[in-house]
Amino acid sequence: GQQLNQSPQSMFIQEGEDVSMNCTSSSIFNTWLWYKQDPGEGPVLLIALYKAGELTSNGRLTAQFGITRKDSFLNISASIPSDVGIYFCAASLNSGYALNFGKGTSLLVTP
Amino acid sequence: SAVISQKPSRDICQRGTSLTIQCQVDSQVTMMFWYRQQPGQSLTLIATANQGSEATYESGFVIDKFPISRPNLTFSTLTVSNMSPEDSSIYLCSVATGTGDRGAFFGQGTRLTVV
Repeated sequence: GQQLNQSPQSMFIQEGEDVSMNCTSSSIFNTWLWYKQDPGEGPVLLIALYKAGELTSNGRLTAQFGITRKDSFLNISASIPSDVGIYFCAASLNSGYALNFGKGTSLLVTP
Repeated sequence: SAVISQKPSRDICQRGTSLTIQCQVDSQVTMMFWYRQQPGQSLTLIATANQGSEATYESGFVIDKFPISRPNLTFSTLTVSNMSPEDSSIYLCSVATGTGDRGAFFGQGTRLTVV
């Protein structure tokens, strides 16, 4: 499958700071998803994006589907300690298709 | 979203043996997938589990090593055959309804250690 380029690889921030991570691809995708994975658990879906240019929020999380359909970003505002985990971007040609994943962004938040 | 249950949640197996992982969904779903996540790595698609027909495998994965069954729209199994330490990974079941779905959902994973 097509590997997505996710950055940064890791982030170490203080509680209350905002966080931004992004994902790019050399191919066009029609679905972009963002997941969070805690140790010993499966990935949990945070936000799903289906339309180029779409900007979607889920609480303190905001994600956008790039207009070129080759990129997406995830922002977390006012981070808290429970935001700690690994965040993965994923993309597919269409909803219901298998996913291509980024390598993940490891987020650490200090109180 | 769908509720996905995987069994076992973890296992330690001897090399050369086989382990069958079960994935049960609380509703009928169109698409079911199996992924592998090696230690500290991202997720890699093993195969798409097709209901009533043979699974579709990704490059680098073969049916003899990873036989998959999908007898109905709510259940699938993945077998890891003739295991070696290199097979130590988390194996994840994923589902998508295919229409009007807002994403793909994952089970909690099966953490396999081969010794």
